[in-house]
Amino acid sequence: EVQLVESGGDLVQPGGSLRLSCAASGFTFSGHGMHWVRQFPGKGLEWVSGIHWNSGKIGYADSVKGRFTISRDNAKNSLYLQMNSLRPEDTALYYCAKDIGPRVAGIDYWGQGTLVTVSS
Amino acid sequence: DIQMTQSPSSLSASLGDRVTITCRASQGISNYLAWFQQKPGKAPKSLIYAASTLQSGVPSRFSGSGSGTDFTLTISSLQPDDFATYYCQQYHTYPLAFGGGTKVEI
Repeated sequence: EVQLVESGGDLVQPGGSLRLSCAASGFTFSGHGMHWVRQFPGKGLEWVSGIHWNSGKIGYADSVKGRFTISRDNAKNSLYLQMNSLRPEDTALYYCAKDIGPRVAGIDYWGQGTLVTVSS
Repeated sequence: DIQMTQSPSSLSASLGDRVTITCRASQGISNYLAWFQQKPGKAPKSLIYAASTLQSGVPSRFSGSGSGTDFTLTISSLQPDDFATYYCQQYHTYPLAFGGGTKVEI
């Protein structure tokens, strides 16, 4: 059974940093692209970042480019999102999501999310 | 960047109704289009990828069609479990993008 478990969400002050983690199990992690998607309170979904199976290609939403960094450790079956220079508008539930293929072929599984709150 | 526009933003329907949701991309994306269902307080669930391929376990009353810029999600006979918000997403080009969502209500 595919499982994606996010952690690291917290309350942080504007300008602060946070590192989210996603522990994956139930599939060959090194064979799949991965994504971070966020959902603002009471609002829709926003794709944040994606990474190919071998970290060979990475993409970011314009809203986080230059502030967030996605990475993965295939030996640890883990995905990460380093979030710097956080703003109140980054407050959201952050989901880790698995891609169907090694690059970008569509999302098939989602975690339950970890909450990031940016506020003074 | 590619923008995704969904319509309608909400709709009211009855059990057994045929429901159609549309999604338009600001430029051609071939068939790199996915649909997701989300219920309140829950993570999204993947329904369809490659515009028309059902994810494993998704009921056959769901179908997707389209290519290029115009896509549709159809629920052939609305069931109680289908009342939710639906999102399309293009994955043709980074940055990926979701539509604004369509809330299906009773």
